[in-house]
Amino acid sequence: DVVLTQSPLSLAVTFGQPASISCTSSQSLVYSDGNTYLNWFQQRPGQSPRRLIYQVSNRDSGVPDRFSGSGSGTDFTLKISRVEAEDVGVYYCMQGTHWPTSFGQGTKLEIK
Amino acid sequence: EVQLVESGGGLVQPGGSLRLSCVASGITISSYSMNWIRQAPGKGLEWVSFISSSNIIHYADSVKGRFTLSRDNAQNSLYLQMNSLRDEDTAVYYCNLRALWGQGTLVTVSS
Repeated sequence: DVVLTQSPLSLAVTFGQPASISCTSSQSLVYSDGNTYLNWFQQRPGQSPRRLIYQVSNRDSGVPDRFSGSGSGTDFTLKISRVEAEDVGVYYCMQGTHWPTSFGQGTKLEIK
Repeated sequence: EVQLVESGGGLVQPGGSLRLSCVASGITISSYSMNWIRQAPGKGLEWVSFISSSNIIHYADSVKGRFTLSRDNAQNSLYLQMNSLRDEDTAVYYCNLRALWGQGTLVTVSS
């Protein structure tokens, strides 16, 4: 099974400063169709998860452009250019390339 | 408004059964793949089961042989029949379709 390892597991960022979360896969996430099925989710306290990014770098509708995704193969990054109060929560990467689908452990983002 | 609404959770004894439902509105689920994903209290997300638009179904090893996923296109609904429940199945169960998630339904397995 594919293991996704996120780092850091917790992150305290000053309001308005950037943040970066890494997700490393135990196998390449490039599928046979050439696409890479790596998504990023945000889960605010007490809420359902929300998808932010799909296929590495595509922002979902309504997601602020301060969120961006990048990477390839086994190494991926979620960046927030300027952290805002509403960004507090846990962030998960998820791969859908290999069965079974798997999630990273989650990264908890707090405001300093 | 496009939304997914789960129901059917509750308290059940180990070895018992529950059937979860996920009703979709504003979208026709027969055209899409969908997932059940769960989250144990204070823990991360765990994928449980998947159904494709062509009704291919996959299960996590942890639930294989105990859980059954089905879809009723006429009711625009997804179901998860959960049998032989264990303490470790305690979690909020979410229905998911691409970027869309329901609010979740809590399943508690305890004697």
